[in-house]
Amino acid sequence: NAGVTQTPKFQVLKTGQSMTLQCAQDMNHEYMSWYRQDPGMGLRLIHYSVGAGITDQGEVPNGYNVSRSTTEDFPLRLLSAAPSQTSVYFCASSPLFWGGYNEQFFGPGTRLTVL
Amino acid sequence: TQLLEQSPQFLSIQEGENLTVYCNSSSVFSSLQWYRQEPGEGPVLLVTVVTGGEVKKLKRLTFQFGDARKDSSLHITAAQPGDTGLYLCAGQLNAGKSTFGDGTTLTVKP
Repeated sequence: NAGVTQTPKFQVLKTGQSMTLQCAQDMNHEYMSWYRQDPGMGLRLIHYSVGAGITDQGEVPNGYNVSRSTTEDFPLRLLSAAPSQTSVYFCASSPLFWGGYNEQFFGPGTRLTVL
Repeated sequence: TQLLEQSPQFLSIQEGENLTVYCNSSSVFSSLQWYRQEPGEGPVLLVTVVTGGEVKKLKRLTFQFGDARKDSSLHITAAQPGDTGLYLCAGQLNAGKSTFGDGTTLTVKP
């Protein structure tokens, strides 16, 4: 199993450009999520999904869109990049709420710089 | 206001020393996880605690969940350079979404 994969690993954008960060998992997990990690601020939830066709907002959703057409894939779209979106982005997946837990498997991250 | 407060923010110790890091909240969590993250990589799950007062051991690491399920601690015995990394706690208030603390950056010097 590859686990959770993310592409690209690094990306530089200019202000106003759009792009899609890709995330895929091969563990048949229902729950997937996107976080951003900024220095000294831990992980903040952007969007999450509990299954194909179902998505919801996290703490910091503004400027980002998601969709979940399959169990495996959960892309994150930046609509019009801003310097404030410079961050490291992590995708994670987990089995759906068994026992109420949320034990997440994380991808390696995408390091995004917006100039 | 951060829902989960981790302390200390930074910790630098010598190999062989013991240490404890803390994860505190005023909220009650249904479960709590500890993750370790190494530079340039994603967090990796270490443990989940669920029951108030629960203690779990993972080799030299001991995890405890507070009786009221509002706080947790991670104790490392005889730290090694390989323990260096960012330690994150994450809690669930209800089924699903996790909230993360800001982490403790641990450096273990040889």
